[in-house]
Amino acid sequence: KNQVEQSPQSLIILEGKNCTLQCNYTVSPFSNLRWYKQDTGRGPVSLTIMTFSENTKSNGRYTATLDADTKQSSLHITASQLSDSASYICVVSAYQAGTALIFGKGTTLSVSS
Amino acid sequence: DAGVIQSPRHEVTEMGQEVTLRCKPISGHDYLFWYRQTMMRGLELLIYFNNNVPIDDSGMPEDRFSAKMPNASFSTLKIQPSEPRDSAVYFCASRTGTSGNTIYFGEGSWLTVV
Repeated sequence: KNQVEQSPQSLIILEGKNCTLQCNYTVSPFSNLRWYKQDTGRGPVSLTIMTFSENTKSNGRYTATLDADTKQSSLHITASQLSDSASYICVVSAYQAGTALIFGKGTTLSVSS
Repeated sequence: DAGVIQSPRHEVTEMGQEVTLRCKPISGHDYLFWYRQTMMRGLELLIYFNNNVPIDDSGMPEDRFSAKMPNASFSTLKIQPSEPRDSAVYFCASRTGTSGNTIYFGEGSWLTVV
């Protein structure tokens, strides 16, 4: 069964600290993996998209990694800011006709001063 | 571009009433998606369209839900009759072309059925 599991479910860190969010998936055949940021009361916004051949991709202070062998991805946030407080959703696409996106339930990050 | 535009942003309705949610995708995008988000289940795909044609509606919970896309710039999701368990945030999203392209979400319609 295609699944995406994220951990931790929630996280609280101090402003300026780094953190890493995890995503494990059992999606096959794998096409790509995306990380989305969803601010409270807003729609999800894409941070990164990685295909099978990409191991790492950065977007400012956000760096996503992908290990296709172990089917794991991580999102590392450097020097966190209050505006990073949001839900981060891992989405894996299965390579097939149509658009089978499997969503994780997200990690809720709270950055405090 | 203004992005994906959804209306209404918030709706509170009584059980049994009809609810219509509206979406304007980004111009030029040929895929349109309707998602539902709840705390318990996260984001779930309800239905998606390609070039205005419904492709996969297997996520639509039951016959009370229906979706239409009469043209490339407009789609509706209708719930009739509504029930309290339909309370959720409904997102419309769109993208172009291949499956690797970014999907752009609207700001969501927050539905509460009392």
